Amino acid sequence: DGGITQSPKYLFRKEGQNVTLSCEQNLNHDAMYWYRQDPGQGLRLIYYSQIVNDFQKGDIAEGYSVSREKKESFPLTVTSAQKNPTAFYLCASSVQGTGELFFGEGSRLTVL
Amino acid sequence: AQSVTQPDIHITVSEGASLELRCNYSYGATPYLFWYVQSPGQGLQLLLKYFSGDTLVQGIKGFEAEFKRSQSSFNLRKPSVHWSDAAEYFCAVGAPMDSSYKLIFGSGTRLLVRP
Repeated sequence: DGGITQSPKYLFRKEGQNVTLSCEQNLNHDAMYWYRQDPGQGLRLIYYSQIVNDFQKGDIAEGYSVSREKKESFPLTVTSAQKNPTAFYLCASSVQGTGELFFGEGSRLTVL
Repeated sequence: AQSVTQPDIHITVSEGASLELRCNYSYGATPYLFWYVQSPGQGLQLLLKYFSGDTLVQGIKGFEAEFKRSQSSFNLRKPSVHWSDAAEYFCAVGAPMDSSYKLIFGSGTRLLVRP
């Protein structure tokens, strides 16, 4: 079955540590996205990529980094510069130009 | 700037009753509009979308939504709610972004279903 796989589902981090969240898709979609979800705030766009080796900042990119070396993969690194990293992170992909997103099941990051 | 407002944070309905979830958007042109549903701890699933044409769109799980340009609304409806519909519902508008679209989400409405 085609879809988006995020890992790990749960992750705990100590303050000052970088962590990387994995996102893999086998839908052959060109565009991929990372969203952050906090209670009562909906989803906010962190980074997006429309093609391999290219990506752009979204609305809340500070403290995050991404790479897009392969079409199928779009990992997100939450760096120690992110002041409030505890959140639910969602990866998505879409066919170019449609705006219709397909989501993974999310990764919950907790900073201890 | 584009924005989406879902005025109801929580809604409780009895099983079998009808449902309407409200969504208002702010966007300068003809919008792309979406409704997504999220079960606890899960990702989002697309319920339905409006790009153009017929303003009443049908989706999965018996949901429908009506685009009303004059009211800048895209309300979600279901004639008879099932207990399995309890979830959080997000309305979104698609805003052009380079050669693609960025979805701007509302803050969500949590639906509770009474037995």
